[in-house]
Amino acid sequence: GAGVSQSPRYKVAKRGQDVALRCDPISGHVSLFWYQQALGQGPEFLTYFQNEAQLDKSGLPSDRFFAERPEGSVSTLKIQRTQQEDSAVYLCASSLGVYGQGGGMQETQYFGPGTRLLVL
Amino acid sequence: QQQVKQSPQSLIVQKGGISIINCAYENTAFDYFPWYQQFPGKGPALLIAIRPDVSEKKEGRFTISFNKSAKQFSLHIMDSQPGDSATYFCAQGHTGGGADGLTFGKGTHLIIQP
Repeated sequence: GAGVSQSPRYKVAKRGQDVALRCDPISGHVSLFWYQQALGQGPEFLTYFQNEAQLDKSGLPSDRFFAERPEGSVSTLKIQRTQQEDSAVYLCASSLGVYGQGGGMQETQYFGPGTRLLVL
Repeated sequence: QQQVKQSPQSLIVQKGGISIINCAYENTAFDYFPWYQQFPGKGPALLIAIRPDVSEKKEGRFTISFNKSAKQFSLHIMDSQPGDSATYFCAQGHTGGGADGLTFGKGTHLIIQP
């Protein structure tokens, strides 16, 4: 079956531009996460959705970052007035169940290929 | 967020050898420790995961060893193959309560020489 897809795969923006990054999770997956991965680093958590509810946005680096998942499936990460430090790969992950309530192991997070954002 | 410290940063192993990557965590509240494999241009993919109530978990050529008292865990790749060349990330998370995602280490770039 189809995995997590993200678009665009690459985005070049001029400093100050707004960008929107899209994530299509695996169909039926309740949980959706956004991560930011700087070059040569591990992914860093940005925000978490359970269906359409944004339950945690503690990792968003500034109020220029905004995420939504209005119908509980597709999610969009929006970055306003982009800065050079926003250059990174933005990863989306989804999991089948509700995060943190697994009876045994945590639900596996399936990652998309990421969107590589370059701000000039 | 509490860090998870990963070492080495890079590793070169001969084909057929054993690759060992180590991680150390700080906060004992975490109870889920996965390893992810990432190839260039791809997203991370779950390789194997463990909870601290077991000391070892093996899946094929991949083994996690967990030392709860030392707050350390490691990934062993037996009979390493060139196709294992990738970046490996350890991570920590929760199985119950909370919704703060996974905390990843900085990664280990593994090269298996033929």
